[in-house]
Amino acid sequence: ETGVTQTPRHLVMGMTNKKSLKCEQHLGHNAMYWYKQSAKKPLELMFVYNFKEQTENNSVPSRFSPECPNSSHLFLHLHTLQPEDSALYLCASSQGPRAFFGQGTRLTVV
Amino acid sequence: GQQLNQSPQSMFIQEGEDVSMNCTSSSIFNTWLWYKQEPGEGPVLLIALYKAGELTSNGRLTAQFGITRKDSFLNISASIPSDVGIYFCAGQDSGGSNYKLTFGKGTLLTVNP
Repeated sequence: ETGVTQTPRHLVMGMTNKKSLKCEQHLGHNAMYWYKQSAKKPLELMFVYNFKEQTENNSVPSRFSPECPNSSHLFLHLHTLQPEDSALYLCASSQGPRAFFGQGTRLTVV
Repeated sequence: GQQLNQSPQSMFIQEGEDVSMNCTSSSIFNTWLWYKQEPGEGPVLLIALYKAGELTSNGRLTAQFGITRKDSFLNISASIPSDVGIYFCAGQDSGGSNYKLTFGKGTLLTVNP
């Protein structure tokens, strides 16, 4: 238990669906992150939020839409995804350089 | 963008053997982190290094921050089957904000009992 909880753990969605990933951290951290992990590739940073404000968007397509209503919660809204978007999506939080990750959501786009 | 070169890509060892893996970068990093990821789980932080030359241990794990701040290694002594997983290095760059981390591609460790 790292203090970062992601739901759902697994998600299968069609290319026309709309779904959301949820992340909650119980560590009192100010920063939250979304990472994408694909096979054979390093973790790719997608978005960074600091005190609920988005401070980084790493050229992520608009079909991924993040939302951070408060410092403890982070969402990733998904719509009209492509099969190549299938991956493990990881949420992390930090107070400084040490990031703590959730267990991830395994997303499959069919 | 920045890249971390992590080697080896994979290792197959016998239980009880020692393991060594490393990361190098063309850029200077303020902080080096080592993570372990098991199947179906997120990465778990093992060791954090903050100063050039720093040597830090966590049980059977030892990691060092290179003097040039462009490299780091992780050693695992007397490996056991539960050491199996993917080990990632990550660096936080000196000019970065938001504590953005750059990750290596990982070293897949297999331990034969």
